[in-house]
Amino acid sequence: AQKITQTQPGMFVQEKEAVTLDCTYDTSDPSYGLFWYKQPSSGEMIFLIYQGSYDQQNATEGRYSLNFQKARKSANLVISASQLGDSAMYFCAMREGFQGAQKLVFGQGTRLTINP
Amino acid sequence: NAGVTQTPKFRILKIGQSMTLQCTQDMNHNYMYWYRQDPGMGLKLIYYSVGAGITDKGEVPNGYNVSRSTTEDFPLRLELAAPSQTSVYFCASSWDSLNGYTFGSGTRLTVV
Repeated sequence: AQKITQTQPGMFVQEKEAVTLDCTYDTSDPSYGLFWYKQPSSGEMIFLIYQGSYDQQNATEGRYSLNFQKARKSANLVISASQLGDSAMYFCAMREGFQGAQKLVFGQGTRLTINP
Repeated sequence: NAGVTQTPKFRILKIGQSMTLQCTQDMNHNYMYWYRQDPGMGLKLIYYSVGAGITDKGEVPNGYNVSRSTTEDFPLRLELAAPSQTSVYFCASSWDSLNGYTFGSGTRLTVV
């Protein structure tokens, strides 16, 4: 079974609009972490935001926020006031457990295109 | 601030050839990782290390070997290249087990 599912292969959004990228996960471990990474066309991987399974509040980092719904096992990324530079691939990833190495399982990604 | 440095950036190998992908970090991170990204896919973990002298297999280790003789370096070795190893390879490091990775810029490898 897929541990991380991103159901939106591509999304098109007008500049300055907010956008939500979906991510659902599957784990039986009560301790886990969820990550979002951005991959621009240049290819590098950029860490955006992290949410731990025991965190009481949704994580926020500037224009990025993570809508964490534990019961639904979803961890959607919300980008407010989108910019042309937000056009990129976005990957959701999960680690199980908080001890030892941070072995991540990645989803297949969502390609976000911001239109002017 | 070099971060994580990967060399080479591009390489074409013939079937059966060998090569080493280099990865160096200057942040004194304990944890280091190798991932591969096939076209249109997410990343998959090949090998990882929790410190010098300690390595372990990830999800897709077959056809690869690693070593970690120093904190800074984590090379990935391909012994007998196969077309299935055509991919983009990313090295990453992290200070601890909770914060996000710092990724290298990737190595695009083609096996023909």
